[in-house]
Amino acid sequence: KAGVTQTPRYLIKTRGQQVTLSCSPISGHRSVSWYQQTPGQGLQFLFEYFSETQRNKGNFPGRFSGRQFSNSRSEMNVSTLELGDSALYLCASSWTGYEQYFGPGTRLTVT
Amino acid sequence: GESVGLHLPTLSVQEGDNSIINCAYSNSASDYFIWYKQESGKGPQFIIDIRSNMDKRQGQRVTVLLNKTVKHLSLQIAATQPGDSAVYFCAERNNAGNMLTFGGGTRLMVKP
Repeated sequence: KAGVTQTPRYLIKTRGQQVTLSCSPISGHRSVSWYQQTPGQGLQFLFEYFSETQRNKGNFPGRFSGRQFSNSRSEMNVSTLELGDSALYLCASSWTGYEQYFGPGTRLTVT
Repeated sequence: GESVGLHLPTLSVQEGDNSIINCAYSNSASDYFIWYKQESGKGPQFIIDIRSNMDKRQGQRVTVLLNKTVKHLSLQIAATQPGDSAVYFCAERNNAGNMLTFGGGTRLMVKP
């Protein structure tokens, strides 16, 4: 069974721009969660989607948003990028919400 | 506040020895715990999990122990190999939602 895939793997953007990241979960998994990983803050939960509905949300500003499609694929969007948004963005999928399997991440650099 | 923390940021062990990575958590409402391994340039890899109604679970060369009395979690790796070198994270799931709260991570270095 194929794992979680994320695209693109690397991205360089300029402050003020917006970015959209994509995540395809493991086949059959309906829960998709997004996390931000930085050296300073570690791994932090952004939000979780289940059956196209946002079920949980972390403590991030409204510039961070997401959505999930009927095929469970998910996208997250960050608007008005700031230098501090540079991070590894990780997507995790789950069947039950318990075991979460991560993708390789998208490395976003904001200049 | 609710947090998951690790006692040691770096652990260095000799190849073949056993490794023990520790983790403390503060949220007594957490019902599920996971250990992840993250190698450089990769996403976290699921190692083993344990539910709060258990105190021990074993996998292949790994054992997770949960002590709810002192809110402590540990990962034991038997016969540590060079391929085990990575950063290890513990994570807890609050029974109110599916978000995972991660600890800061412990870097395991295996000396040949």
